Amino acid sequence: GAGVSQSPSNKVTEKGKDVELRCDPISGHTALYWYRQSLGQGLEFLIYFQGNSAPDKSGLPSDRFSAERTGGSVSTLTIQRTQQEDSAVYLCASSLRTSRAQYFGPGTRLLVL
Amino acid sequence: SQQGEEDPQALSIQEGENATMNCSYKTSINNLQWYRQNSGRGLVHLILIRSNEREKHSGRLRVTLDTSKKSSSLLITASRAADTASYFCATDPGNTPLVFGKGTRLSVIA
Repeated sequence: GAGVSQSPSNKVTEKGKDVELRCDPISGHTALYWYRQSLGQGLEFLIYFQGNSAPDKSGLPSDRFSAERTGGSVSTLTIQRTQQEDSAVYLCASSLRTSRAQYFGPGTRLLVL
Repeated sequence: SQQGEEDPQALSIQEGENATMNCSYKTSINNLQWYRQNSGRGLVHLILIRSNEREKHSGRLRVTLDTSKKSSSLLITASRAADTASYFCATDPGNTPLVFGKGTRLSVIA
């Protein structure tokens, strides 16, 4: 079927506003990941969902960041009271299970003015 | 913390030449994976090599893994301009998410 999709592709927001980023994983993939990538940098792990287990939130940089995954499928990453340093590309990936290859979405480019 | 570290950070070669990128890591792994990223967007999985494998091929790609040295290399043979991208290694420590390195930026000049 279709690959991982993310929306919006681009988001420009003002400092202090909340944003929601959406990820639709590949159907049947039990694992879902969120990463952040600043310009020219590597991937920074944010959060990971595996099946019905409690998510691994160890990568979230602050309590302004949260994510949920409804019905084991779609996930939403929420950033509250955005700051300029939140500007980055936010990437979502899914995999059949934890140790398998990850399939990435095209990312959401977030710019906080 | 970052486990995989790619070397070099940047590499520029002529079309037709081979490109070699290296990855070092620190802890034991189940497998190691290589990904490509174009234009700062989504990564594309290239190849996975398991900890009990030493070499793997896929088209023009050749990956080696030396678990005693905790290192891997990615060789792209007969490079093309379309191979220009960033290449990341990712290690699988087992039952936790992959750990990505910072990547090697490859430029293939036509």
